[in-house]
Amino acid sequence: NAGVMQNPRHLVRRRGQEARLRCSPMKGHSHVYWYRQLPEEGLKFMVYLQKENIIDESGMPKERFSAEFPKEGPSILRIQQVVRGDSAAYFCASSPVILDYKRTDTQYFGPGTRLTVL
Amino acid sequence: AQTVTQSQPEMSVQEAETVTLSCTYDTSESDYYLFWYKQPPSRQMILVIRQEAYKQQNATENRFSVNFQKAAKSFSLKISDSQLGDAAMYFCAYRRRGQAGTALIFGKGTTLSVSS
Repeated sequence: NAGVMQNPRHLVRRRGQEARLRCSPMKGHSHVYWYRQLPEEGLKFMVYLQKENIIDESGMPKERFSAEFPKEGPSILRIQQVVRGDSAAYFCASSPVILDYKRTDTQYFGPGTRLTVL
Repeated sequence: AQTVTQSQPEMSVQEAETVTLSCTYDTSESDYYLFWYKQPPSRQMILVIRQEAYKQQNATENRFSVNFQKAAKSFSLKISDSQLGDAAMYFCAYRRRGQAGTALIFGKGTTLSVSS
């Protein structure tokens, strides 16, 4: 069973360009989370999605950032008009559907995409 | 709001020795989960160990064990018989229980170096 896949692993963009980060969850997982890690910092939650639905985007910047998880294909985190402050590692995690209220859905992380804005 | 604090930016240990990484958290919830994740130079986030707050018994995974003190809101990680491959950044994380999709809240991490 392949793990969470993210691509590209490294992405370089100039200021003002668009960045598209992709995440394919583990097989059988229908929950996807995006986190951002700034240099020397821990991971910060951005958005939580299920297939075709954004469930929680409380950590997402209000402008320029968007995310989707279509019925078919990977989840996409899109950053428009990138600025230098967007340079960071972006991690995707996935978890399965857990129907048992008493259990937790452990989040499994991908290898991350390192975005550098020049 | 919940917060996670790791007060040791860096720690070092010699091979075969034991090291303890500290973590404290703040929450008004009574039911939650705590995790330790390892991030080696490859940057892959790897789950090391998890603890359910309703369980009094401390979790263990081979050489890794935790000291969970719920009243003190403390969750330290002990690594026994340290190996060179343990060198990494370690993150403590918190998550509310009972709701699917709740985000993890991470501390800032502790960089562990292991010397031979």
